[in-house]
Amino acid sequence: GQQLNQSPQSMFIQEGEDVSMNCTSSSIFNTWLWYKQDPGEGPVLLIALYKAGELTSNGRLTAQFGITRKDSFLNISASIPSDVGIYFCAGQLGPGNTPLVFGKGTRLSVIA
Amino acid sequence: NAGVTQTPKFRILKIGQSMTLQCTQDMNHNYMYWYRQDPGMGLKLIYYSVGAGITDKGEVPNGYNVSRSTTEDFPLRLELAAPSQTSVYFCASKRGGQSSGNTIYFGEGSWLTVV
Repeated sequence: GQQLNQSPQSMFIQEGEDVSMNCTSSSIFNTWLWYKQDPGEGPVLLIALYKAGELTSNGRLTAQFGITRKDSFLNISASIPSDVGIYFCAGQLGPGNTPLVFGKGTRLSVIA
Repeated sequence: NAGVTQTPKFRILKIGQSMTLQCTQDMNHNYMYWYRQDPGMGLKLIYYSVGAGITDKGEVPNGYNVSRSTTEDFPLRLELAAPSQTSVYFCASKRGGQSSGNTIYFGEGSWLTVV
């Protein structure tokens, strides 16, 4: 199946630091999404990107849809303890009814 | 405001047993999905449905069956449980259509162990 390469796999950062993670693929995607999963919960959508080059913010989170449509990054500024969790990128290869492909996730730990 | 509800939350099965994971959504969403999540891995699509009476295989459908007799419900059945099916299962739904965006709502997950 299609693969999304998400990096890094895990991160340990100090509270207040900025964080950056990214996803790449050899395929062109129509949509990029970023989800966060808290322990024992299902993923929750953070940011959705629909156009190449699009830069979207949600509070301290910023994500961009790469110009080539093959990559996306997520930045978290001034991290806080509740940012702890697993962040997943997901891409959609086709129109609105095409199922999502997920990356393997980035596990974020924040040290207070 | 229930959203997507999955049951059971936890289950231990013996090899060869069968069971059904229940999923229901109260948002009148057309699209429903079943994913499995293995440790250190992303979510892999098992089956999905674009509406009542319609189901399609995802990336990893072997060993599973689904049905969609109503808009609200999308049960996932394991007929002969195998250790390889030990995983966390997530049901999800989306309103559907080109203008709906891609807000997929996930359930809280079902932890299944096959021993």
